[in-house]
Amino acid sequence: QVQLQESGPGLVKPSETLSLTCIVSGGSISTYYWSWIRQSPGKGLEWIGHIYSSGRANYNPSLKSRVTISIDTSKNQFSLKLSSVNAADTAVYYCAREGSSWSSTSWLDSWGQGSLVTVSS
Amino acid sequence: EIVLTQSPGTLSLSPGDSATLSCRAGQLVGSSYIGWYQQKPGQAPRLLIHGASSRAAGIADRFRGSGSGTDFTLNITGLEPEDFAVYYCQYYGESPKTFGQGTKVEIK
Repeated sequence: QVQLQESGPGLVKPSETLSLTCIVSGGSISTYYWSWIRQSPGKGLEWIGHIYSSGRANYNPSLKSRVTISIDTSKNQFSLKLSSVNAADTAVYYCAREGSSWSSTSWLDSWGQGSLVTVSS
Repeated sequence: EIVLTQSPGTLSLSPGDSATLSCRAGQLVGSSYIGWYQQKPGQAPRLLIHGASSRAAGIADRFRGSGSGTDFTLNITGLEPEDFAVYYCQYYGESPKTFGQGTKVEIK
């Protein structure tokens, strides 16, 4: 049973960069797509983007200019960077696995517990 | 972008009742790309249904998904106390993946 765990600062100042890492255990990071999703009271669940083990990433157009997702297969982890944050980026950030091997169009079958990130000075 | 609209916003029911949750897409979508998730307070969403009608591993058979085109439904027959939660539909086809705004199933 694959497990995911987010880690990173819980407080980020406006205009700075939010950075989170998701550590994958109980399974290989290879052959799957790995997603970041966030949830805020105002906007519900929002898919941020995903990355394949090869490093190929795809982003939500609404955030594309500020998002970078990267992967380190040697450490079985992947990361999210969101630049120029503001209060609207305050949310619980989840990492998740897309459940069908090699497919970029797959459901989210395993989720981390979520990491609350607050943007405030 | 595929916009998903869920209804009703809240469903007030009693244990043992049946629930019907609706998810309408703003344009035709392949049924292969619709999923349903359950979320309880303080927890991450949990996959219930993928491909519009396939139950995920370990999901009870009282959860049934159906639909095609633009209209999709999640039916829960015989609500158990642990089923009271928020339910989201998701489109997971070509980017961007999107979610509905959720339906809360609450105890009447």
